[in-house]
Amino acid sequence: GAGVSQSPRYKVAKRGQDVALRCDPISGHVSLFWYQQALGQGPEFLTYFQNEAQLDKSGLPSDRFFAERPEGSVSTLKIQRTQQEDSAVYLCASSLAGVVYEQYFGPGTRLTVT
Amino acid sequence: AQTVTQSQPEMSVQEAETVTLSCTYDTSESNYYLFWYKQPPSRQMILVIRQEAYKQQNATENRFSVNFQKAAKSFSLKISDSQLGDTAMYFCAFMKQMGGGSNYKLTFGKGTLLTVNP
Repeated sequence: GAGVSQSPRYKVAKRGQDVALRCDPISGHVSLFWYQQALGQGPEFLTYFQNEAQLDKSGLPSDRFFAERPEGSVSTLKIQRTQQEDSAVYLCASSLAGVVYEQYFGPGTRLTVT
Repeated sequence: AQTVTQSQPEMSVQEAETVTLSCTYDTSESNYYLFWYKQPPSRQMILVIRQEAYKQQNATENRFSVNFQKAAKSFSLKISDSQLGDTAMYFCAFMKQMGGGSNYKLTFGKGTLLTVNP
């Protein structure tokens, strides 16, 4: 079956622009996670959804970052007024409700802010 | 808060040989999972192997095995008969084991870049 997909795969934004990154989880996966991976680093947790409920957003670095999952499937990570330090790969992962230890990752969106 | 430390930024191994990647972690939790993930160049993260902390037996998946030392908070990955396709960044990761509705987020180390040479 289809895995986790993310779009766009690459995004170049001028500093100050708003961007929206999309994640399509595996069908039926209740849990959805966003991670940020800076160059040469491990991924860092941003936010977590269970169905449409955002249960944890403690990893969002500032109020410029906003995530939603209105119908409990597709999720969008929005970054307002992008800064150079936002340049990173943004990874989405999903998992089944009863198998939370198996997170399936998407290919990521590489965001470059110029 | 949990921390995961990978002290080897880069390693290399000859094809068909064995290599061990190191990982240590710090936590006050007693129930948790540990993972090794592989991230090939420009490709997505995939799970290599998982260990439940309550299990004393070390996990094994084909050529991949772990040495889990709970008291020492150490979780190393051994790759036997290394293949060119094993070239990738390897991340050690930690997850608390909790009840329903809780956040099952992964905490990653900084990674070890493994190169398998022909």
